[in-house]
Amino acid sequence: GAVVSQHPSRVICKSGTSVKIECRSLDFQATTMFWYRQFPKQSLMLMATSNEGSKATYEQGVEKDKFLINHASLTLSTLTVTSAHPEDSSFYICSARDPGTDEKLFFGSGTQLSVL
Amino acid sequence: AQTVTQSQPEMSVQEAETVTLSCTYDTSENNYYLFWYKQPPSRQMILVIRQEAYKQQNATENRFSVNFQKAAKSFSLKISDSQLGDTAMYFCAFMGNTGNQFYFGTGTSLTVIP
Repeated sequence: GAVVSQHPSRVICKSGTSVKIECRSLDFQATTMFWYRQFPKQSLMLMATSNEGSKATYEQGVEKDKFLINHASLTLSTLTVTSAHPEDSSFYICSARDPGTDEKLFFGSGTQLSVL
Repeated sequence: AQTVTQSQPEMSVQEAETVTLSCTYDTSENNYYLFWYKQPPSRQMILVIRQEAYKQQNATENRFSVNFQKAAKSFSLKISDSQLGDTAMYFCAFMGNTGNQFYFGTGTSLTVIP
């Protein structure tokens, strides 16, 4: 089946630094990728939708200058948390849509970000 | 943004029994997709079942089935013969026809009691 690889799985960084999270579709071309944020025992909150070759569409309330999303190829999207602060600590999950498999969505394994 | 609501934050069921998880959604679209995802403690999202809105027949996957009521915008999940491994968070999700929107409900924590 289709696989989405997300790295790193866990990252600890100091406040003020930037962190990049990668999301790769390994065996299909993902024209659309989604980035979510999940707090403990809560739902996945859609942060932004990225389409290959174009600017990401951010959900209301999500700072686009804070959470930089790049979808430069059909198999790779990156989320960069810039100038991270402790309140950015969260679980981030990416997903990729494979239109070749009947509109299914495949998820990465998530990244736990801890900002000290 | 579309709204997806799960009114049951927590549920429990005896092993081997049947349980139904509720989900309602709000959309003005006529064609769309609905999903149920399972998230175990590993936090890996696992697709349970999927329904296309243009199909009247309810989707089934082994012990999992849905009751899709398009007019009522309701999409409940029935788990038959519950197993201990079914213990997890369950999220209902909506995807618009363009595929550029994918929203999750608030989630239901299901515990299967031995």
